[in-house]
Amino acid sequence: QVQLVQSGAEVKKPGASVKVSCKASGYTFTGYYIQWVRQAPGQGLEWVGWINPKSGATNYAQRFQGRVTMTRDTSITTAYMELSRLRSGDTAVYYCARVDVELVAATTTAVGADYWGQGTLVTVSS
Amino acid sequence: DIVMTQSPDSLAVSLGERATINCKSSQSVLYSSNSNNYLAWYQQKPGQPPKLLIYWASTRESGVPDRFSGSGSGTDFTLTISSLQAEDVAVYYCQQYYSTPPYTFGQGTKLEIK
Repeated sequence: QVQLVQSGAEVKKPGASVKVSCKASGYTFTGYYIQWVRQAPGQGLEWVGWINPKSGATNYAQRFQGRVTMTRDTSITTAYMELSRLRSGDTAVYYCARVDVELVAATTTAVGADYWGQGTLVTVSS
Repeated sequence: DIVMTQSPDSLAVSLGERATINCKSSQSVLYSSNSNNYLAWYQQKPGQPPKLLIYWASTRESGVPDRFSGSGSGTDFTLTISSLQAEDVAVYYCQQYYSTPPYTFGQGTKLEIK
């Protein structure tokens, strides 16, 4: 069965970096994109970015550009999201999710995120 | 970026009654080339990750009860729960996947039992 298992909770100081992992199993890792979504305490969902595990190509939301790096290791079917220069506003649960994509009008477009990791709480506090 | 606006922010419905949640996008999410709307609906219960309910605006994900349905096209969409069950208490989000990222979410609608 398809599973995405994320790394455990992290506590970081402002200015530090955090790297969250997402171990995929039960499907062909390179056949689906991985998106990262975060949710601040009591708040809604925010799209952070995504990675194509086959090529390594990424696309990040503008507000995270320069601070976020998404990578993958296909040998261990794991995706990573690293966020640097952390501030208190980055305190959130970070989710990875498998995304089905298709090519429409020469553009890779997502259909939906059908499997999600359990979430990783990142707390930024001095 | 495409802005997604849901209404209402919260909703209380009696068991067995219909619940309707709306989602409006700031621009069309319809691809004319294949007539698909790139709009998904998710359900999130406390302490859990989101769960995909509907994609392409109206296609139910496998295993989702048929009391959940999605409709709409272009910029205006609706999620309907035909007969509310206790287990449907959750926050519901729409998300657009049109063209290039970012793939923005609506702010969420909290559904409770009246």
